[in-house]
Amino acid sequence: DIQMTQSPSSLSASVGDRVTITCRASQSISRFLNWYQQKPGKAPNLLIYAASTLQSGVPSRFSGSGSGTDFTLTISSLQPEDFATYYCQQSYRTPHTFGQGTKLEIK
Amino acid sequence: QVQLVESGGGVVQPARSLRLSCAASGFTFSSSGMHWVRQAPGKGLEWVAFISYDDSFKDYADSVKGRFTISRDSSTNTVYLQMNSLRAEDTGVYYCAKTKYSAAAIFDYWGQGTLVTVSS
Repeated sequence: DIQMTQSPSSLSASVGDRVTITCRASQSISRFLNWYQQKPGKAPNLLIYAASTLQSGVPSRFSGSGSGTDFTLTISSLQPEDFATYYCQQSYRTPHTFGQGTKLEIK
Repeated sequence: QVQLVESGGGVVQPARSLRLSCAASGFTFSSSGMHWVRQAPGKGLEWVAFISYDDSFKDYADSVKGRFTISRDSSTNTVYLQMNSLRAEDTGVYYCAKTKYSAAAIFDYWGQGTLVTVSS
């Protein structure tokens, strides 16, 4: 199985900050990498797919980059509604594994 | 608008069975692959199963292979997850999700989830 490792596991930041979350795959997955946001008690929400394509309706402050094994999710200017847990997920090969999550908290 | 509504969760004893349903609307169900993804309490996300848009292909996580069966009914726009020989480690919220493209594992819409608790 392809292992997905996110860093950091948790992060404290303030409104207006620029934040970057990293996801590393245990083998090359080309650009088959997706990012999701999950708020407590809610289903995940697709933010970015194919490493850098913004899902329809997602604010442009979210962006993704990377290919091969190393990927990043960047939030350019944190808004109050962005405090949540973020997951990366590879869609290169089954089983479609997720990272362990990064919890973004208010400083 | 796209809606996915799961049902069928509950409390069940170990080794018993449960069937989850996911009613879909607002998109062309017959053109969409469907997945089940679960989340243990306080834990991360785990992909569970996939069924292709035309029911020709199914795939499972090793942790559920041989115990769970995914199926779909295009006459009612419903996808099912039959769960047999349930274990404590199967406890969690089960989400159905549709694929953004017919076969890609990009989950663009999710249901609200249904909680399964396996306990004696």
